[in-house]
Formats: sequence, structure tokens, C-alpha cells
Amino acid sequence: ETGVTQTPRHLVMGMTNKKSLKCEQHLGHNAMYWYKQSAKKPLELMFVYNFKEQTENNSVPSRFSPECPNSSHLFLHLHTLQPEDSALYLCASSQKTSGGYEQYFGPGTRLTVT
Amino acid sequence: GNSVTQMEGPVTLSEEAFLTINCTYTATGYPSLFWYVQYPGEGLQLLLKATKADDKGSNKGFEATYRKETTSFHLEKGSVQVSDSAVYFCALLPFISNFGNEKLTFGTGTRLTIIP
Repeated sequence: ETGVTQTPRHLVMGMTNKKSLKCEQHLGHNAMYWYKQSAKKPLELMFVYNFKEQTENNSVPSRFSPECPNSSHLFLHLHTLQPEDSALYLCASSQKTSGGYEQYFGPGTRLTVT
Repeated sequence: GNSVTQMEGPVTLSEEAFLTINCTYTATGYPSLFWYVQYPGEGLQLLLKATKADDKGSNKGFEATYRKETTSFHLEKGSVQVSDSAVYFCALLPFISNFGNEKLTFGTGTRLTIIP
């Protein structure tokens, strides 16, 4: 499945580091999403972009900073993270955010904060 | 609000057994319903979907029928294989015309293990 790609697949970072997660979709979609998947917790929606505009910030701490330079690319900039931020970060895309279009997910970035 | 309830796992079955994973939902209007599958170490893959009542989604031998009268979307497979071992998520997407953010609501996931 190469419709939505994410890099890196694994990332280990210290609490004082700055890193970025990258997502790219090759499906011609206009909406992109960041989700957080933690052990034993439901999937959490973090951010939504529709036609490059952020339309949802689900009360995410400011140490997570998204960027969507165009409809095909989505970044998640990370700084001064906490150990509890360790999780699988999933990117998804859909045709747009309304109209009943399904979301397609990338393989995720497994983040470990030490 | 919208919610999805799916059966608690883990579920362990022998190869070639019949599989049912229950999913019920609460939503206003006419949502679309999905089953996603997550194999070990991977992201979520869309397994099947149904967009209106009585629709049957099917893929890779899995089926689920959108039952509005019982607000259910149970996942079934007649004969499971070891390669079906994964976590399965039921999800709901409300339909909002042409504007606004439709948010996927996921169930908590059911871990399925198939033993040879």
C-alpha cells in the first residue's frame, strides 16, 4: 500500500530534541489528518487540514506543531516532548472532510521519547 | 454524540473457524460504517465499508452488513487463516453534506489471533 507514506517509520528522541514527522499522500486527496495511537487507548484525532487550511485542533499541546504546505504533504513538528507522548502517529487522507469520504491511513511513525 | 461499541478482545480461534466480531453504533442521521484492520507493526488499512442501510461490504472473504434496525455492523468471515491475525477496528463517519469536518469515530479495537 503506497497511497499514504510516512517517514520515518521509527523515531527515538530525547525530551530536548526537535524532530519532524512527514506524511505524503499520492491519492489526489484534499484533506489530511494526524492521529495518535497509544497503547490501550482509543485512536485520538489530533489535527485536520482541508485544502491546506487547518480546520481542527483537538486540544493538542503546543509541543506538537503541524504544517501543511500543500494538499499532498503534512508535517508534524515535535519539540520538548514528554515520555507520555510515545505512541504510534498515524497520518490519513481523504478526498475532503465532508461528503462521507473514507480515510486512508499511512503505516505510522513509532515514536519513543526518552 | 456518535459512538461505536465493539466486542472486547482478545479473540483466539483455530484456523478455518468461523469469525464474528460484533460492532454496534450510535449516531444521528445516516453514517457510513467501516472496518479497518491493523496488522502488527503497521498502520490501519481499510478492510470494507458500507454507506447506507442494508449495504453489504466485503473484501478478502470478510463481510459486514449495515443493519439500521439493530444499529449494527458485525464483521464475519467463514474460514479464518493465520494471516488474518490482526487488530480490527469498527468505525463510523457521519455524513455532513458539503461543509464541515466529518470525524471518524473508532471502536476500541478487537485483537484477533488465529492459531494453526
